[in-house]
Amino acid sequence: NAGVTQTPKFRILKIGQSMTLQCTQDMNHNYMYWYRQDPGMGLKLIYYSVGAGITDKGEVPNGYNVSRSTTEDFPLRLELAAPSQTSVYFCATRGIAKNIQYFGAGTRLSVL
Amino acid sequence: KQEVTQIPAALSVPEGENLVLNCSFTDSAIYNLQWFRQDPGKGLTSLLLIQSSQREQTSGRLNASLDKSSGRSTLYIAASQPGDSATYLCAVNSDSGAGSYQLTFGKGTKLSVIP
Repeated sequence: NAGVTQTPKFRILKIGQSMTLQCTQDMNHNYMYWYRQDPGMGLKLIYYSVGAGITDKGEVPNGYNVSRSTTEDFPLRLELAAPSQTSVYFCATRGIAKNIQYFGAGTRLSVL
Repeated sequence: KQEVTQIPAALSVPEGENLVLNCSFTDSAIYNLQWFRQDPGKGLTSLLLIQSSQREQTSGRLNASLDKSSGRSTLYIAASQPGDSATYLCAVNSDSGAGSYQLTFGKGTKLSVIP
C-alpha cells in the first residue's frame, strides 16, 4: 500500500531553474496539500486542492504553482527557483470520512 | 490568524520516565487538533486526533488532552523508550477565514530518550 508518494527525494537547483515536484496518492482522497518546512520550523501551507480541477492558495504561495487534473496527482511547480525556496516539501492527503492528513516522505530541495 | 506554540523546543529524558509535551494555540475556535511524530529525514505520522468536542484521546502509551477554552493541549508519553526519540508536532485545524479548514503547525518538540 503506497499511500502518498513524492518524487524526487532530493534535488539541487541553480537559481532561476524550474522544476516540478511530483505527488501521487492511491487512497482516492479528495483533499491534497503542499507544505514546506524550513529548519527548526513548523510546516507552512503552500497550496491545497479539494478535488480534481480545484486548487487554492495557502499561507505561502508566492513562487509556486499547482494543478490538479486527476484525483491521484497534485504536482507543485517552481518556475524561477530562488535560494529562499530551499526547504523540505511535503505533500499530504485527506479523505472526507476521517479528518486525518497522511503525509509523503518529503522532497529535500536546495537552490544554490 | 491562528498561531501554535510548542514548549519545550527540546527535551532529553532517561528511559522509563513519563513526560509531557505542551502545545498552545491562540484561537480557540478549532475543529480538531492533531499530534504528529516526525523522524529525521522522514515524513509525518499522525499519532492522535482530538475533535473539538473531546477532552482526550489515548493510544497505547500516549495520551493527548485538549482544553479548547484555554487554548492548550498536552501529549503525555508514559514509560518512555529510546524508540520514542523523534520530533513531535502539534497541529490545529481551524477555519482559514476563506471557508476552508487548514492545519496550523507548531515548530515541534525534539525528544531524546537516553538508554
